[in-house]
Amino acid sequence: AQSVTQPDIHITVSEGASLELRCNYSYGATPYLFWYVQSPGQGLQLLLKYFSGDTLVQGIKGFEAEFKRSQSSFNLRKPSVHWSDAAEYFCAVAAGSGAGSYQLTFGKGTKLSVIP
Amino acid sequence: GEEVAQTPKHLVRGEGQKAKLYCAPIKGHSYVFWYQQVLKNEFKFLISFQNENVFDETGMPKERFSAKCLPNSPCSLEIQATKLEDSAVYFCASSKTGVTTEAFFGQGTRLTVV
Repeated sequence: AQSVTQPDIHITVSEGASLELRCNYSYGATPYLFWYVQSPGQGLQLLLKYFSGDTLVQGIKGFEAEFKRSQSSFNLRKPSVHWSDAAEYFCAVAAGSGAGSYQLTFGKGTKLSVIP
Repeated sequence: GEEVAQTPKHLVRGEGQKAKLYCAPIKGHSYVFWYQQVLKNEFKFLISFQNENVFDETGMPKERFSAKCLPNSPCSLEIQATKLEDSAVYFCASSKTGVTTEAFFGQGTRLTVV
């Protein structure tokens, strides 16, 4: 069965500093990988996704992520963090039980705090 | 509509009572997913639909949980005889294709069982 590990429960960075959130996955085939952000009391917003092709993917809000098959990783990065980026970030892998509907398996999330 | 609409936002039920949650997927999306987010941020997949057909129900607790997606009606998730451990935020998501290429999530329904 597939699994996602986000090793960092909570990260604090200063506004303007760079950010990297780690994600490792376990899946037998080529994974579909996602990063979502959840603000307090809100739903999940898709930041970016990787299906195939270029291993460096660009997302919304200035985020990017790099797929590294050899390390089973899909780390999220941002060069300069803004106070509004404070939220919970979830990495997810999509795996299917057959053709068609693919459920998402989520990591437990990393809470990002931003110091002004 | 252009967003996944979940109602109600909050629901409080006494233990043993029934709870019913609703989800209107984005128009044109054929796939609907239900997830349960419990404390400590753990997301658990419950069930998915392709139109009105159950596609994957491997995450559904069989005994008290049921779900439907009927034509021209919001999808629903019903919990009979709620238990304290059912307290969670229930998220619905919809996507155009089944590969969750763009799975759009609703705001969630917070269920509190007291």
